[in-house]
Amino acid sequence: EVQLVESGGGLVQPGGSLRLSCAASGFTFNGHWINWVRQPPGKGLVWVSRINGDGSIITYADSVKGRFTISRDNAKNTVYLQMNGLRAEDTAVYYCISILEAVCGRGTTVTVSS
Amino acid sequence: EIVLTQSPGTLSLSPGERATLSCRASQSVTNNYLAWYQQEPGQAPRFLIHGASSRATGIPDRFSGSGSGTDFTLTISRLEPEDFAVYYCQQYGSAPLTFGGGTKVEIK
Repeated sequence: EVQLVESGGGLVQPGGSLRLSCAASGFTFNGHWINWVRQPPGKGLVWVSRINGDGSIITYADSVKGRFTISRDNAKNTVYLQMNGLRAEDTAVYYCISILEAVCGRGTTVTVSS
Repeated sequence: EIVLTQSPGTLSLSPGERATLSCRASQSVTNNYLAWYQQEPGQAPRFLIHGASSRATGIPDRFSGSGSGTDFTLTISRLEPEDFAVYYCQQYGSAPLTFGGGTKVEIK
């Protein structure tokens, strides 16, 4: 079964850090772009970042550039999102998506609050 | 940045009726790299369509995608009770990737 599973979310204070993980199974992971998207409470989907199969091409939304870092470990079939300098507006459910495999994970919740 | 505008914002229909959802892009979507997602309340998005018209694995054939360039459509031929949800389009042909604001399909 093709699957993506996110983890690493939680409650963090403003200015804090979290690292999200997206573990893949059921497909040839190292050939695929992986995207992170997020959904603030009660709002729509917003794209955050993407990384290509070998990690050589990375793109970020302007709202997270300089604060978030995407990376991948193909030996572990996992993509990471390191989030630093977190703000209240980063509060959201974070999903990872493989468009080629047409699969979306179930999400992990990040809450930034004092 | 490509802006995606979905219409209508809300579609009120009865089970068995046909639903037609529109997604219009502010500029041409590269290679027609346009996806559709379905999201029920409290659930993760479910991938429906990629490449404007290719159904994802396991998606019923009552869902179909069409269009090219700047105008795309998601059609649900006969609404089932489980189809009442919010639908999003997304373009992935150029960065930054962008989503439309969503169309809510509600029971009339």
